[in-house]
Amino acid sequence: DAGVIQSPRHEVTEMGQEVTLRCKPISGHDYLFWYRQTMMRGLELLIYFNNNVPIDDSGMPEDRFSAKMPNASFSTLKIQPSEPRDSAVYFCASSFGIYNEKLFFGSGTQLSVL
Amino acid sequence: DQQVKQNSPSLSVQEGRISILNCDYTNSMFDYFLWYKKYPAEGPTFLISISSIKDKNEDGRFTVFLNKSAKHLSLHIVPSQPGDSAVYFCAARGSQGNLIFGKGTKLSVKP
Repeated sequence: DAGVIQSPRHEVTEMGQEVTLRCKPISGHDYLFWYRQTMMRGLELLIYFNNNVPIDDSGMPEDRFSAKMPNASFSTLKIQPSEPRDSAVYFCASSFGIYNEKLFFGSGTQLSVL
Repeated sequence: DQQVKQNSPSLSVQEGRISILNCDYTNSMFDYFLWYKKYPAEGPTFLISISSIKDKNEDGRFTVFLNKSAKHLSLHIVPSQPGDSAVYFCAARGSQGNLIFGKGTKLSVKP
């Protein structure tokens, strides 16, 4: 299996623009997580899905952030409008079951908002 | 407020010596803890875990110790190798099963 695939690897945008991050989880995994990594807060859980249904979005910082999972093989995280403080590395991860230590992460998207 | 704390942002050790990475947590209800390792430009990968019913778990050069009364766990790497240089994240399993991570500690192992 190719693992969790995220795109783009790098995104540079200007403040106010819409940003869409994409994720393809490992086939067969029923949980998908979006994390954000910053120096100040480390790895923060933003939202997670079970069988394409959002379960907990309490980590989403503001209404500017939204996430969807239209099918088992694709998820997006959208920021509209983007702000410089959104600059971070965004990781997507998937697992089979939530009580599974084998959480597989993608390589991340490095987002820079100027 | 951070429920999982890694107070040392970085650690430097000599090759062959022991590396000790520390982690503290605030919620006594946490019952499962994990360490993940992250290389630059890659996502974190699972390293080792421990259940709260144990106080030690060993896997090769890696050992995790848990002190529940102190709400403290540590990861020992013996002997340290240059390939161990990475960021290490401590995590605790929350009540819903999701992982709560610390800020990470960057380990540098010098030849």
